[in-house]
Amino acid sequence: QKEVEQNSGPLSVPEGAIASLNCTYSDRGSQSFFWYRQYSGKSPELIMFIYSNGDKEDGRFTAQLNKASQYVSLLIRDSQPSDSATYLCAVNMKIDQFYFGTGTSLTVIP
Amino acid sequence: NAGVMQNPRHLVRRRGQEARLRCSPMKGHSHVYWYRQLPEEGLKFMVYLQKENIIDESGMPKERFSAEFPKEGPSILRIQQVVRGDSAAYFCASSPGQGVQPQHFGDGTRLSIL
Repeated sequence: QKEVEQNSGPLSVPEGAIASLNCTYSDRGSQSFFWYRQYSGKSPELIMFIYSNGDKEDGRFTAQLNKASQYVSLLIRDSQPSDSATYLCAVNMKIDQFYFGTGTSLTVIP
Repeated sequence: NAGVMQNPRHLVRRRGQEARLRCSPMKGHSHVYWYRQLPEEGLKFMVYLQKENIIDESGMPKERFSAEFPKEGPSILRIQQVVRGDSAAYFCASSPGQGVQPQHFGDGTRLSIL
């Protein structure tokens, strides 16, 4: 089992819909979780991060953690074409060790 | 600009040459990470460094690749005797401290091997 797994997609949603992205992680003791957005040919850009103590909302983005099932999700409300990108999940499992998933490709259809 | 600075943005080398990639972390950041990304693939961790120390190099190929982060100056990822398979985007990220702090990425170096 990989440390962090994501469905590679592609995930397509119509403009204005909610996009739901998930990732699972292997280490139950993981404490911090990160979502990055990467446009084609660009570098990863941090969108949100949460710690094991709770969910977080920032504008149209919500990050949720389900510790019992060991997955973290990113919800994007009112999806826009500009949200079309690859979304990378990263988990900090041990001190100073980050594991990235392979990313989920999201396409928002106008 | 106080972001992570990588140079060069694009680097072309012929097989057998050496490639040197540089990374200056964000101001106040003392932890540097290097990743490699092949087209249409995810980020692959290579090495994690603090000033003058390699903390984790478990993702680094055993031969031809080396990294350093000296007391003064940028972190360097060095690839000796490059081969076609080394063609990739190499990203550097930095963070201010241990684990729970998010990493911030530079724009990457696109390495092409002729």
